[in-house]
Amino acid sequence: NAGVTQTPKFQVLKTGQSMTLQCAQDMNHNSMYWYRQDPGMGLRLIYYSASEGTTDKGEVPNGYNVSRLNKREFSLRLESAAPSQTSVYFCASSTDRGRDTEAFFGQGTRLTVV
Amino acid sequence: LAKTTQPISMDSYEGQEVNITCSHNNIATNDYITWYQQFPSQGPRFIIQGYKTKVTNEVASLFIPADRKSSTLSLPRVSLSDTAVYYCLVGEGGGADGLTFGKGTHLIIQP
Repeated sequence: NAGVTQTPKFQVLKTGQSMTLQCAQDMNHNSMYWYRQDPGMGLRLIYYSASEGTTDKGEVPNGYNVSRLNKREFSLRLESAAPSQTSVYFCASSTDRGRDTEAFFGQGTRLTVV
Repeated sequence: LAKTTQPISMDSYEGQEVNITCSHNNIATNDYITWYQQFPSQGPRFIIQGYKTKVTNEVASLFIPADRKSSTLSLPRVSLSDTAVYYCLVGEGGGADGLTFGKGTHLIIQP
């Protein structure tokens, strides 16, 4: 049972380069999320998707785009990477029991922009 | 989502019971209270969730007073491996509300 799988685990980009972070879940969850976590900080929500075909902005969406490719996959794209986007990125999916929801997280992607 | 306030850090010793309190004065009627645990270089992990009174599972207990304006996560007989950051979340779960994390409480367990 893989849960939430993120690729790649590590990435170094040069300023201005683009890349896509991949996320897939095998738990048949409708809701998926992308977060970033800076050193010593909590997680900040970038985008989320409540269901296949829908996406909504979170707290820090600027500089990012997302695609909910199907129910399993939710990708995060950096079109023109900046040093301020150096962070650890976590993907999550959640059960859909309404109020009593449990989220499952991937192992994270450590991104460095130089 | 209701804003939460929890201590930035706490220290304790192996074998002790640790209680981490979270304040959420503006909690709404439909909000649940959920706690997550995060180890370094890992994603957060669900610990426990409750709506009112007391909830217990194999890992922790969650105490919620009648006014629901605060909650206390209780970790019995902690070990070094319980050193982690603990997040208190209040809201209607996931979906359209998203899951909003604060800075959490960094719990350090010493031998």
